[in-house]
Amino acid sequence: EVQLVESGGGLVKPGESLRLSCAASGFTFSRAWMSWVRQAPGKGLEWVGRIKSKTDGETIDYAAPVKGRFTISRDDSRNTLYLQMSSLKTEDTGVYYCTTPGNVVPWGQGTLVTVSS
Amino acid sequence: DIVMTQTPLSSPVTLGQPASISCRSSQGLVHSDGNTYLSWLQQRPGQPPRLLIYKISNRFSGVPDRFSGSGAGTDFTLKISSVEAEDVGVYYCMQATQSPYSFGQGTKLEIK
Repeated sequence: EVQLVESGGGLVKPGESLRLSCAASGFTFSRAWMSWVRQAPGKGLEWVGRIKSKTDGETIDYAAPVKGRFTISRDDSRNTLYLQMSSLKTEDTGVYYCTTPGNVVPWGQGTLVTVSS
Repeated sequence: DIVMTQTPLSSPVTLGQPASISCRSSQGLVHSDGNTYLSWLQQRPGQPPRLLIYKISNRFSGVPDRFSGSGAGTDFTLKISSVEAEDVGVYYCMQATQSPYSFGQGTKLEIK
C-alpha cells in the first residue's frame, strides 16, 4: 500500500526540541523528493521544507520561518524522513505532514505538535 | 518566491450545481523536467488534506470523475461538475515546481 505515516508529535515547551518521523511505503522512497508541510490550528497549509533524493544531491531547502531551527534528513535504508525541530516557538504549533508532490502518493494523517508553556 | 492566489475564497453552491475554483501563480510553473507540478487538495472538516489532482489535470486514484483540473502557464482551474454534500470543505492549490513550494489561501466550499 502506498502511504506516508507521520509520528513523533507531542506537547513541548518553548525553546525545547522534538523530532518527527515519516515512514514511507509502497513507492521508491530513495528516488522521491520529500517535503514537510504544516498547518496551524484554523489556518491554511504552509510548506516547511524539502529534501531532494540522494541521486539529485540531497539538497535541502527550508521556509524562512524555520531556517536555522529545523533540520530535514532522510534514511533511505529505512524509508524514513525526519524533521528535527529545535528552539521551538508557540507559533510552530500545528499538524505536521510529510508529502512528496512529485509522486502520486496520498497525504498521511499528520502528527500534532503543540508548543506551549 | 511564487505566490499562489485562489479565487473565490468562499463559494456557496447549490447541490447538483457546478463549482469552479481558480488558482493563479505569480510565475509560470513548468519545471525544467517538463512537468508542471500544480496539484489540488481537498480538506474536509477535521480531516487531513486529500490529494485530488496532480500535474494540473490528473485525478488521483479513487477521486470521482466530477472533479477535473485544467490550465497552463499561470492560470489553473478546479471544476466540480455537480456538487455533492461530501464535497464540503476547503480546497487548496499547491505548486511544487520551484522552491519554496507554496499554497493558495484555500477556498471554502459550502452548500447554500
